Amino acid sequence: GNSVTQMEGPVTLSEEAFLTINCTYTATGYPSLFWYVQYPGEGLQLLLKATKADDKGSNKGFEATYRKETTSFHLEKGSVQVSDSAVYFCALYGDGGYNKLIFGAGTRLAVHP
Amino acid sequence: EPEVTQTPSHQVTQMGQEVILRCVPISNHLYFYWYRQILGQKVEFLVSFYNNEISEKSEIFDDQFSVERPDGSNFTLKIRSTKLEDSAMYFCASSLEGGRRETQYFGPGTRLLVL
Repeated sequence: GNSVTQMEGPVTLSEEAFLTINCTYTATGYPSLFWYVQYPGEGLQLLLKATKADDKGSNKGFEATYRKETTSFHLEKGSVQVSDSAVYFCALYGDGGYNKLIFGAGTRLAVHP
Repeated sequence: EPEVTQTPSHQVTQMGQEVILRCVPISNHLYFYWYRQILGQKVEFLVSFYNNEISEKSEIFDDQFSVERPDGSNFTLKIRSTKLEDSAMYFCASSLEGGRRETQYFGPGTRLLVL
């Protein structure tokens, strides 16, 4: 079945450092891919998405490119801020119907001044 | 910007009690979902709901769980007889349509603690 694997955290960076959070997936067909972010004490917010191969999703300085050849959707940001400290979840739609989001385990990012 | 809302934000209950978690999806959305996140673990799909019926459910969603859209705005998750392992954050989500490109928008969650 469909699944998502994310790099384990926590990821600890200094402000203005470059961020990469790896995400790879296993899926039949051509799933849509998503990154959600969960700030401390809050719910899940959509950060970006890509719906077909080679699409690049971007938002708030974050980017991720849908790479079908490597089944990856790595999240990147050129210069992180303290306010980016959160848990980041990679997700895709499950097998069969399109209604079920399958999430990775989440990667906690801590950015220090 | 429209958003999904959930009440209560926190609920503490005794094992064996019934709880109802409430959600108000985005008003023009047609598909509704419940997910849960046990502390420190993955977000897990529970159920999806469309046209007043369940369209998909997970193995977690057993006979103790039920969902309902009692009126035109609310979407509820009922747990009939809570167990300790039901303690989790429960997220409601909605989407305009059910296709593979659709974004699901999540509420802030209800943290349920079963004692």
